[in-house]
Amino acid sequence: SQQGEEDPQALSIQEGENATMNCSYKTSINNLQWYRQNSGRGLVHLILIRSNEREKHSGRLRVTLDTSKKSSSLLITASRAADTASYFCATPGGSNYKLTFGKGTLLTVNP
Amino acid sequence: DAGVTQSPTHLIKTRGQQVTLRCSPKSGHDTVSWYQQALGQGPQFIFQYYEEEERQRGNFPDRFSGHQFPNYSSELNVNALLLGDSALYLCASSLILSGEQYFGPGTRLTVT
Repeated sequence: SQQGEEDPQALSIQEGENATMNCSYKTSINNLQWYRQNSGRGLVHLILIRSNEREKHSGRLRVTLDTSKKSSSLLITASRAADTASYFCATPGGSNYKLTFGKGTLLTVNP
Repeated sequence: DAGVTQSPTHLIKTRGQQVTLRCSPKSGHDTVSWYQQALGQGPQFIFQYYEEEERQRGNFPDRFSGHQFPNYSSELNVNALLLGDSALYLCASSLILSGEQYFGPGTRLTVT
């Protein structure tokens, strides 16, 4: 079963606009991670937010975490065509051994 | 500093055959995890190796087996291939005390 579920499944925006993706999960977590995947290749780690953090920034990325609602959001500001990719949230198992991924959000940024 | 590498990039096999995929972790990492990603889905955890032992296993049959070598590199073996085994196989490395995993580019396996 999947722990994280991303929403929306697909998102299409124009360059320069902001993109927001959401993730909901089911059980308590130590941290939540966001990954990007281009064209079915390897995943690139974007950001890790710990359960005691509410917001984290990395360049044009902003991640929030609401443990009371078991949800997280990823905001990409001033999007670029190169941001076109699938974005996944992932939550680790109790011992951080395995990551459980959702089905991802396919983001298309149109030039 | 080389990241996670995987070989081969692509592979085509016939049903019933056996396949071995290889992974070299990021320098300094001691833990290797394997994931299977079907088309349009998120990666699914297969198993994880640390200190040459399987630490945890996902919901995959015994046809899927692995190994970790003293240099931390790892192999994934799949026996008696089925059409449903066609997928992108991803290797990820990490430090055992860290939750952050670094992924390789993957091996695309096609079973015909």
